[in-house]
Amino acid sequence: NAGVTQTPKFQVLKTGQSMTLQCAQDMNHEYMSWYRQDPGMGLRLIHYSVGAGITDQGEVPNGYNVSRSTTEDFPLRLLSAAPSQTSVYFCASSYRQGRYGYTFGSGTRLTVV
Amino acid sequence: LAKTTQPISMDSYEGQEVNITCSHNNIATNDYITWYQQFPSQGPRFIIQGYKTKVTNEVASLFIPADRKSSTLSLPRVSLSDTAVYYCLVGDPVKPGAGSYQLTFGKGTKLSVIP
Repeated sequence: NAGVTQTPKFQVLKTGQSMTLQCAQDMNHEYMSWYRQDPGMGLRLIHYSVGAGITDQGEVPNGYNVSRSTTEDFPLRLLSAAPSQTSVYFCASSYRQGRYGYTFGSGTRLTVV
Repeated sequence: LAKTTQPISMDSYEGQEVNITCSHNNIATNDYITWYQQFPSQGPRFIIQGYKTKVTNEVASLFIPADRKSSTLSLPRVSLSDTAVYYCLVGDPVKPGAGSYQLTFGKGTKLSVIP
């Protein structure tokens, strides 16, 4: 089925560990982005990409890295996990940025202990 | 980016029409208004998008007055399955240049549908 696929769905990390959250879309969308959602909060933009090879920072980029080598994939890397990064992470993609709405993945629930 | 204000929560009985209003006083000329729905443990889902007047699809209607400083999402005859958080977003979806359109989600409106 066409859509945005995020893996893993759940992850527990120890403080200081690194990991990569995977995001893939098969809709040939040019725009992809990563959000985090904390309890009682809306979604906050971490990083985004307007096409392969182009990325930029969002509202809360510290502690995260991204790269976009292909149109389909947009992985999010946590360099050295901290308890403050405990959150639910959503990846989203869209055609022509936002004109026809964004498609979100089902999320990755990350706990850092 | 235009800031939006919407009620924190709303309650409605099944079968009623629900109207959720969003204020966006500093909306820019090229900005569109977009609404998303989010169920617990799921990612947001696009509902409807509009620029002016009225837009309707199979799920909802979006009413935008002439001054565009507010908008109203209308859900006809809600059911229990419409219980969710609804987000109003404002932005220019096709402004050229990197970083031009960043979705800014507020806390949304938590709609609770009561049997």
